[in-house]
Amino acid sequence: GNSVTQMEGPVTLSEEAFLTINCTYTATGYPSLFWYVQYPGEGLQLLLKATKADDKGSNKGFEATYRKETTSFHLEKGSVQVSDSAVYFCALSDSDFKTIFGAGTRLFVKA
Amino acid sequence: DSGVTQTPKHLITATGQRVTLRCSPRSGDLSVYWYQQSLDQGLQFLIHYYNGEERAKGNILERFSAQQFPDLHSELNLSSLELGDSALYFCASSVRGTSGRDNEQFFGPGTRLTVL
Repeated sequence: GNSVTQMEGPVTLSEEAFLTINCTYTATGYPSLFWYVQYPGEGLQLLLKATKADDKGSNKGFEATYRKETTSFHLEKGSVQVSDSAVYFCALSDSDFKTIFGAGTRLFVKA
Repeated sequence: DSGVTQTPKHLITATGQRVTLRCSPRSGDLSVYWYQQSLDQGLQFLIHYYNGEERAKGNILERFSAQQFPDLHSELNLSSLELGDSALYFCASSVRGTSGRDNEQFFGPGTRLTVL
C-alpha cells in the first residue's frame, strides 16, 4: 500500500540556519504531495503542495519539489526563524480518497 | 482560523464510557475526515464521509463509528473506551470527494480526549 516516510526528529536549529526535512513516499499511480504544519496547540494547516512530477510547491519561504525519480518531496527553507518551530507532516493523496501522513518531524529553532 | 469547528475542546471520561465528538466543516465543504493523533502512533486516518456517505475507512476500531448528517456536520462516536483511546481527535474538511488527488484538507483545532 501507499506510505510516507519522513526523517525522525526532533530537529534543532539556530535561527537563520538552513532547514531540510526529508520525505520519501511509496505509491502506485501519481499521487499529490503535501506538507502540513502543526503549531503548538493547533490543528494541521497546509503549508504547500505539488500535484505532478517536477512541480515545486512554495509558501512562507518553504519549498519542496516533487521528484518522481527518487520518490521524494523534501522540505527546505533557507533561513529558519523561531516562529517556524512546529511539527511538519509530509503527506500524499491518491485517487483512493485517502490522505496518508508521515509520522511528523518536530522542529525547534533557537534564538 | 480554518473555518472547521470541533466540540468539545477537551473531554475527560472513564474507561468503559461512550463519548461523541462533533465537527462542523467549512462552509461549502462536502467531505469530512476524522483522524486520531497519539504520541506513539502519529496521525492515523480513521474515516472519510462525503455528502453524507462513507467514502473510505482507515484504521478505525469497531468500537468507533461516525456519521455525517444532512447539514454536513459529522459526529464521531467512541464507545467502550480504553486508556489507549486517549488522544487528540481531529476533524478535517475539503471541497472534493470524487477524487482524492489534489485534495487539500482544512483541519479543526481538535478534541483532546483523556480516558482515566
